[in-house]
Amino acid sequence: GIQVEQSPPDLILQEGANSTLRCNFSDSVNNLQWFHQNPWGQLINLFYIPSGTKQNGRLSATTVATERYSLLYISSSQTTDSGVYFCAVNTGFQKLVFGTGTRLLVSP
Amino acid sequence: EAGVTQSPTHLIKTRGQQATLRCSPISGHTSVYWYQQALGLGLQFLLWYDEGEERNRGNFPPRFSGRQFPNYSSELNVNALELEDSALYLCASSFPAGGLNEQFFGPGTRLTVL
Repeated sequence: GIQVEQSPPDLILQEGANSTLRCNFSDSVNNLQWFHQNPWGQLINLFYIPSGTKQNGRLSATTVATERYSLLYISSSQTTDSGVYFCAVNTGFQKLVFGTGTRLLVSP
Repeated sequence: EAGVTQSPTHLIKTRGQQATLRCSPISGHTSVYWYQQALGLGLQFLLWYDEGEERNRGNFPPRFSGRQFPNYSSELNVNALELEDSALYLCASSFPAGGLNEQFFGPGTRLTVL
């Protein structure tokens, strides 16, 4: 099946710093989603981005489907950005295959 | 608009018992998905229901089953619980599946098997 790898696995930032999270996938996908998992476990939708670039406030995402990767940019990070970030891809049959996650810690 | 809801928030069972987890989708969504997040194993797809039918199943034993009701809510049943079933169970919903639509997740049920 498809493999979804995220990097880096762990990231520690000072408040106000910028960061880029990467998601590589091994096969063609129909769509891609980015999530933030909060400390209580809930997955918060960030982007639905099968291709192209989207922005939402301090966050933006770019997916280059032909090269099988997606990037999540976080600018001016805040302590509330801490948590685990997942990308997930859908190759058909409606199931999401999740990446390995990036654990982000933003310190004040 | 209310999001996906799940109950209970926490569930503690002993080995061999049965667990029932419940999920209500976002209004207008007909597809419901179940995922398991066990420690060290990441998020794994369990089941997909649409219009009352099971449409796809992940690599889990038959002890994991469920159903979808006419109002599109869903139940996940786990029989003969084993210690390794301890996990966070997440439910998601989407608009009808034909368009490969965005999935939205509930807060999860944390199952502990003693």
